[in-house]
Amino acid sequence: AQSVSQHNHHVILSEAASLELGCNYSYGGTVNLFWYVQYPGQHLQLLLKYFSGDPLVKGIKGFEAEFIKSKFSFNLRKPSVQWSDTAEYFCAVNAGDNYGQNFVFGPGTRLSVLP
Amino acid sequence: GAGVSQSPSNKVTEKGKDVELRCDPISGHTALYWYRQSLGQGLEFLIYFQGNSAPDKSGLPSDRFSAERTGGSVSTLTIQRTQQEDSAVYLCASSPLANSLYTFGSGTRLTVV
Repeated sequence: AQSVSQHNHHVILSEAASLELGCNYSYGGTVNLFWYVQYPGQHLQLLLKYFSGDPLVKGIKGFEAEFIKSKFSFNLRKPSVQWSDTAEYFCAVNAGDNYGQNFVFGPGTRLSVLP
Repeated sequence: GAGVSQSPSNKVTEKGKDVELRCDPISGHTALYWYRQSLGQGLEFLIYFQGNSAPDKSGLPSDRFSAERTGGSVSTLTIQRTQQEDSAVYLCASSPLANSLYTFGSGTRLTVV
């Protein structure tokens, strides 16, 4: 069965620090990969997604993620965080060869950015 | 059970029929959310239940969509007179409090033919 792990439960950074949130998945076939964000008091929204092509994906608000197939990873990065990036971040995977099946979310990482 | 349970995992229905999707959240979780993911798209928020408060229905795409949460636990999402554009994966999530980390179910894949 597919699974998704996120390395950190809670990350605390100061403004302007660089961010990298780890995401690893277990599935041997073609995958679609997503990062979602939930800001306080709001619902989930899509940050970025990877379906195929360039493994370095750029999303909204200066976020990017790199798909490394050999490592089964899809880490989220941002060079300089802001206080407004305080939120919960979810990595998600589904099987690309049977779209919509086995859609699996990671447990989430809470990011707190100190002003 | 230990996780969020959704049923059925797959549903194929004819255009115009009604369907009901079920979500069984983690026991004790007061917040419950429905989202859907259409092919090639990100998650789309549908509806949110928090305790005994009136649900936030702002994401429901039309009046053909409705949802209930009975006894603060199980929720049912109903789609009336289904259309082909309703085809998607419908995901349910629950959390112990509003704004806490979610736990997602594995989704129901709805195909309208």
